[in-house]
Amino acid sequence: GQQVMQIPQYQHVQEGEDFTTYCNSSTTLSNIQWYKQRPGGHPVFLIQLVKSGEVKKQKRLTFQFGEAKKNSSLHITATQTTDVGTYFCASTANTGNQFYFGTGTSLTVIP
Amino acid sequence: EAGVVQSPRYKIIEKKQPVAFWCNPISGHNTLYWYLQNLGQGPELLIRYENEEAVDDSQLPKDRFSAERLKGVDSTLKIQPAELGDSAVYLCASSQDGNTNTGELFFGEGSRLTVL
Repeated sequence: GQQVMQIPQYQHVQEGEDFTTYCNSSTTLSNIQWYKQRPGGHPVFLIQLVKSGEVKKQKRLTFQFGEAKKNSSLHITATQTTDVGTYFCASTANTGNQFYFGTGTSLTVIP
Repeated sequence: EAGVVQSPRYKIIEKKQPVAFWCNPISGHNTLYWYLQNLGQGPELLIRYENEEAVDDSQLPKDRFSAERLKGVDSTLKIQPAELGDSAVYLCASSQDGNTNTGELFFGEGSRLTVL
């Protein structure tokens, strides 16, 4: 089945530092969604990207969809302790309609 | 608006016992998903319903897992008999339609299963 890999698996940053997580697929994706899961919580939808090369911003968060629609990134500027959690990408491959979650990146922000 | 409701939140059982989880999706959401999430990993799809029809159950271990969505609203997920490796969080999610090009998934709080 489709594998959507995320790197890094874990990231510790000092509060105020930037953070980036990358999502990579071996197949072309029809879309990419990003979710955030706080410790002990459930995944919460952040955003969806559909177009090749698309960039969307939500305050300090910047989401990008690669030109080839095989990768995506989430960048957080000046992290805050409220950013702590695991960030997942999720997607559907062009060849099917199964919706897969990535492996996730766990972010720890040190005050 | 009420979100996705799941019960029970926590369940502890001994191996070989049966267990059932219940999910009430957001009103009007036609698509319902059951995911399994192990600690430190991403959610893994078990089954997806479009209304009352299971349209993707390829990842559901059918020897011990079963699911139903009668009347296309609430859903139950059953495990019988449970094994130690089934300990995980079982997440239910719903979306307005199955076209993931337009629909975000809304997740419930999850049901945490511990099999002893």
